[in-house]
Amino acid sequence: DVKVTQSSRYLVKRTGEKVFLECVQDMDHENMFWYRQDPGLGLRLIYFSYDVKMKEKGDIPEGYSVSREKKERFSLILESASTNQTSMYLCASSPVIAAASYEQYFGPGTRLTVT
Amino acid sequence: GEDVEQSLFLSVREGDSSVINCTYTDSSSTYLYWYKQEPGAGLQLLTYIFSNMDMKQDQRLTVLLNKKDKHLSLRIADTQTGDSAIYFCAGFSRSNDYKLSFGAGTTVTVRA
Repeated sequence: DVKVTQSSRYLVKRTGEKVFLECVQDMDHENMFWYRQDPGLGLRLIYFSYDVKMKEKGDIPEGYSVSREKKERFSLILESASTNQTSMYLCASSPVIAAASYEQYFGPGTRLTVT
Repeated sequence: GEDVEQSLFLSVREGDSSVINCTYTDSSSTYLYWYKQEPGAGLQLLTYIFSNMDMKQDQRLTVLLNKKDKHLSLRIADTQTGDSAIYFCAGFSRSNDYKLSFGAGTTVTVRA
């Protein structure tokens, strides 16, 4: 079974703090993704990575950065947390594009509250 | 990128069939997916359909694809309380740099 784990289920941070969200997958997938989920808006892609040290901006990268130093780990960084970044953050991974079905496997999510 | 739209809420009686609808804009979508999210959990792939298919059936789930109208539906037969969840429609296409585009999610509530 593919397993995608996220470092925290719930996180409360103060405005202006630097926040790290960690994601680890155990299936040697090349692709990893960070989304945020908000009611009525569905999932919006923040950043994704096709390989170690590679990153691409998604649809809403402002206020976020990412790091992928090892294949299995993809970190999302909020440089200076703001209240409008209060959300559910979901990490996902998938095998290479040429693989059948291009399915993405999701972690359980981190609910971040910025006060 | 692609726009994917779906209604936000559906209420259904236990034992009835549920039908969740989705429309998408990108005609080059090669795969279309249905994901399920139970309370407090991440997304789990329920089923997917390749763009050259019209229908796919998997136990209680039936996916219908109308490429002409860019319409996708998910039918759940004999809906159970465990089917209460948020269901996301998503599309995958080369024109969107191989990324998934998700709808807003339909919250399905199963009532006794």
